[in-house]
Amino acid sequence: AQSVAQPEDQVNVAEGNPLTVKCTYSVSGNPYLFWYVQYPNRGLQFLLKYITGDNLVKGSYGFEAEFNKSQTSFHLKKPSALVSDSALYFCAVRDIKTGANNLFFGTGTRLTVIP
Amino acid sequence: EPEVTQTPSHQVTQMGQEVILRCVPISNHLYFYWYRQILGQKVEFLVSFYNNEISEKSEIFDDQFSVERPDGSNFTLKIRSTKLEDSAMYFCASSLRQLNTEAFFGQGTRLTVV
Repeated sequence: AQSVAQPEDQVNVAEGNPLTVKCTYSVSGNPYLFWYVQYPNRGLQFLLKYITGDNLVKGSYGFEAEFNKSQTSFHLKKPSALVSDSALYFCAVRDIKTGANNLFFGTGTRLTVIP
Repeated sequence: EPEVTQTPSHQVTQMGQEVILRCVPISNHLYFYWYRQILGQKVEFLVSFYNNEISEKSEIFDDQFSVERPDGSNFTLKIRSTKLEDSAMYFCASSLRQLNTEAFFGQGTRLTVV
């Protein structure tokens, strides 16, 4: 069965500092991995995805994520945080082996960037 | 930039009533989805729809739920007899292809069952 873990409910970081939002996954086959961001009273916005190829993927708003197969992780990173990055971040996975098209989401991590 | 739109943004209904949540997916997308997010909990998959039929559904999507694409643009979720525990934010999403393609989400409909 597929699952996603986001071990931190809340991450606080000072503006200008690097940020990391952690995600680990469990699938029976190979994963397709996604990060979404949710601002207050808004829907989920796609940030980036890992499908295949280079383990470091770059996405919107300066975010990037590194796929680590041995650690089954897909942590979201940004070199320099902005106050406007404060939001709820969700990691999600699809399992290639099952062929299921639905996304399994983590519980979300609330990022607060402190001015 | 094309986007998924959902109406209404907020709906309050009495327990036992039927509700229909509406969505207009991105026009050239082929795969359509409904997800829900109970307050404070994770986003959960309900159903996916392709080629005018349900392709996948979760355990949550029981006989009380149905989906329809009544015309070339709308995609609806119907809950026949709402329960208190149906209160949640419901998200519609669409994607051009499946599996390796990201889904684009609407802003959600907050359903409150009283």
